[in-house]
Amino acid sequence: GAVVSQHPSWVICKSGTSVKIECRSLDFQATTMFWYRQFPKQSLMLMATSNEGSKATYEQGVEKDKFLINHASLTLSTLTVTSAHPEDSSFYICSAESGGASYNSPLHFGNGTRLTVT
Amino acid sequence: SQQGEEDPQALSIQEGENATMNCSYKTSINNLQWYRQNSGRGLVHLILIRSNEREKHSGRLRVTLDTSKKSSSLLITASRAADTASYFCAGSSGNTGKLIFGQGTTLQVKP
Repeated sequence: GAVVSQHPSWVICKSGTSVKIECRSLDFQATTMFWYRQFPKQSLMLMATSNEGSKATYEQGVEKDKFLINHASLTLSTLTVTSAHPEDSSFYICSAESGGASYNSPLHFGNGTRLTVT
Repeated sequence: SQQGEEDPQALSIQEGENATMNCSYKTSINNLQWYRQNSGRGLVHLILIRSNEREKHSGRLRVTLDTSKKSSSLLITASRAADTASYFCAGSSGNTGKLIFGQGTTLQVKP
């Protein structure tokens, strides 16, 4: 089956530093990947849609300069949390669709990255 | 913004019993999907039901969709302790494939 690998699985960083999270589709190509954020005991909030070779589409209220997304290849999207602050501490999850342009295919999720900013 | 509301928020049952979770959504969808999440992990896709379908089965799972009421339900039959997890519905709309998730139901199945 389609596998999405997310790295790192957890990271602790100091306030003011930047953190990069990688999301890779291992056995399929993903033109589009999605980044979600999840607070404890809450649902997933869509942050942005990552498009290969073009700019990401951010959801309302998500700071594009804060959360930099790069989708340089069909198998890799990265999310960089810049100048991280404690309120950025959260669980970040990426996902990708293996069905090509079909919007009737399920998404495949990475295992998430637990970010803690001290 | 959240697409769906789910109820109940939490459900505790005994092994062998059935579990039913409901989901309501606000906008038109192409399909509705159900996912499972174990604590601190990513999501696992369970089942997808298209907007022109009314019911779908997969193993012990049964999903219904009522587009006139903008609602869906997930039934897990003969539950097992290993079914303990959070369950989310998610609606797909537009042509990007992005999913908007409901609040989720936390299911505990006691052995």
